[in-house]
Formats: sequence, C-alpha cells, structure tokens
Amino acid sequence: DTAVSQTPKYLVTQMGNDKSIKCEQNLGHDTMYWYKQDSKKFLKIMFSYNNKELIINETVPNRFSPKSPDKAHLNLHINSLELGDSAVYFCASSQFGTGPSPLHFGNGTRLTVT
Amino acid sequence: AQKVTQAQTEISVVEKEDVTLDCVYETRDTTYYLFWYKQPPSGELVFLIRRNSFDEQNEISGRYSWNFQKSTSSFNFTITASQVVDSAVYFCALIKAAGNKLTFGGGTRVLVKP
Repeated sequence: DTAVSQTPKYLVTQMGNDKSIKCEQNLGHDTMYWYKQDSKKFLKIMFSYNNKELIINETVPNRFSPKSPDKAHLNLHINSLELGDSAVYFCASSQFGTGPSPLHFGNGTRLTVT
Repeated sequence: AQKVTQAQTEISVVEKEDVTLDCVYETRDTTYYLFWYKQPPSGELVFLIRRNSFDEQNEISGRYSWNFQKSTSSFNFTITASQVVDSAVYFCALIKAAGNKLTFGGGTRVLVKP
C-alpha cells in the first residue's frame, strides 16, 4: 500500500563506516530523488534520476553514490561516513509529464554518525 | 537561479486563531510551479497544494487557503481557525515547468497551543 518506502528508518553508525539506504516506489513514476534535511530542517536536493538515468547531481561529495537498478528503485550508498553526514534523508518520486507532478516523499531515514 | 524565502521561522498561535505563512520566490522562468508541503512532528512530508504560474486564482480547501500574487512573487498560505493538529513545519517550494529540481524554502514552524 505504501507509495514510497525507504529503509531503514533509523541508522546509527560510526565515522568511517559505509552504509546504504534503500528506496522503492510503487506509483509508476519515472523520476526519483534523494533530498537531505539538515538539523535546521533545510531541505536540499542531492540527486535525481529519470528512467534510471542521473539527471541532477548537486554538489554532493563523491562519497555519496546513488544507484537506480530500475525506475522503481533508487538506493543511496555512502562511503566513509562523517559526522556532518548526520541528517534525515528523504527519497521521493514524481511523474515528469506535461508539468511537474507533486513529489511523493518517503518517511525519511534518520542517519546519525557518531 | 531559483530561490524561495520563508521569512518567518516560527509562528506561535492559540487554537482557533488564523495564521498566515509568507512565501516569496525568485525565478527567471516565465512558467513555473509552486508547492506547499507540511511536515508534522512525525517527520513525513505531506503535499498540500500545487499551483502553476498562469493560475493566479486563490484557492480554498477546508480551513486552508492560498493567495498567489505573481506581481509580488508571493504565494502565501493561511490556516483559518487553527487546531493543535496544524502544528508542523510548512515548506513552500518552487520548480520550473521543464525542470526536475524542486527548490524549498527554509520552512516555517507553526505551533498551535490549546
């Protein structure tokens, strides 16, 4: 029933570790995104994929690598985690047609790096 | 470059009061879309409304209303007769018509006290 689901909901890890966050959407949308929300609630786009093709890559450290095996999935892998990576990461999807449809967001993954 | 400014970082009201959230945007595009999202304390991002730049009609949905003024680049949001359940962070966002990048404002936290 869930439209955009991401796992895990919480992720606590130590500096230097590598971790992944998974995202799946069952809305049939052709575009998926990763957004980062910092401690001040500011939301910033990180990546966007359209039909498995990377179309937006905002000045994100290359420790962050998105992977889209198909248009229903967009995973985020983070290498060598740093304290500053602590944030809530939101996956989202939309259908890019005659006008941008609203983004449907997952419930977020709260990443804490210690 | 696109920019969305929500000058009010936090608004506190007593239940049943009306509250208006300001949103001012900057864009060089002639065709664009504006959105409002709600983020309750539980953390998910909930879509409220989408408005395209050619439609300046105000919209009302229950206790929510939106005032789009293209001349002043503003898209303000009013909650009438606020309720405790309206307590949340509200985000205004902008995307150009042919774009994939939704740019968010910094959010306004609304606290409705009983």
